[in-house]
Amino acid sequence: EVHLVESGGDLVQPGGSLRLSCAASGFTFSSFWMTWVRQAPGKGLEWVASIKPDGSEKFYVDSVKGRFTISRDNAKNSLSLQMNSLRAEDTAVYYCARDMITDGYNLEYFQYWGQGTLVTVSS
Amino acid sequence: EIVLTQSPATLSLSPGERATLSCRASQTVTTYLAWYQQKPGQAPRLLIYDASNRATGIPARFSGSGSGTDFTLTISSLEPEDFAVYYCQQRFNWPLTFGGGTKVEI
Repeated sequence: EVHLVESGGDLVQPGGSLRLSCAASGFTFSSFWMTWVRQAPGKGLEWVASIKPDGSEKFYVDSVKGRFTISRDNAKNSLSLQMNSLRAEDTAVYYCARDMITDGYNLEYFQYWGQGTLVTVSS
Repeated sequence: EIVLTQSPATLSLSPGERATLSCRASQTVTTYLAWYQQKPGQAPRLLIYDASNRATGIPARFSGSGSGTDFTLTISSLEPEDFAVYYCQQRFNWPLTFGGGTKVEI
């Protein structure tokens, strides 16, 4: 059974940094694209970043480029999101999600999700 | 960036009724569109991918249609557990984007 467990969410001051982690199990982690999606309180879903299985390609939403870094450790089945220069508008629940593969092709849809971790940026 | 506009924002229906949700893209996404369901306090669940394919374990009362810029999610007969917020999402190009959601309420 696929399990994704996020951790690292916290209250942080504007301008501060935080590192989120996602522990994956129940599937061959090194074969799947992985993604972070966030949801501000009472708002909709926003894609944040995705990373290729071998880590060689990464994509970011414009609002986090240069501030956030997605990374992975396939030996530890772990996904991370380093968040720097945090702003109030980064306040959200951050979900780790696994992309889906069908017929051997990766589809950038999110088939499995963690329970989320809350990041609050406030002074 | 491809903008996805969902309508209506809120749909008030009763169990047993048919729900029709719309998602319109600002430019073509061919059939590269998915639908998700989210209940309060829970992570989203993938329902439909590539416009019309049901994800694993999704009941047959959920169906998706459309291509290009106009898409529809239909719930043929609402069950009590279907009252939730529904989002569409495109994978045609980066950045991946979601619609603003449609709340299906009693």
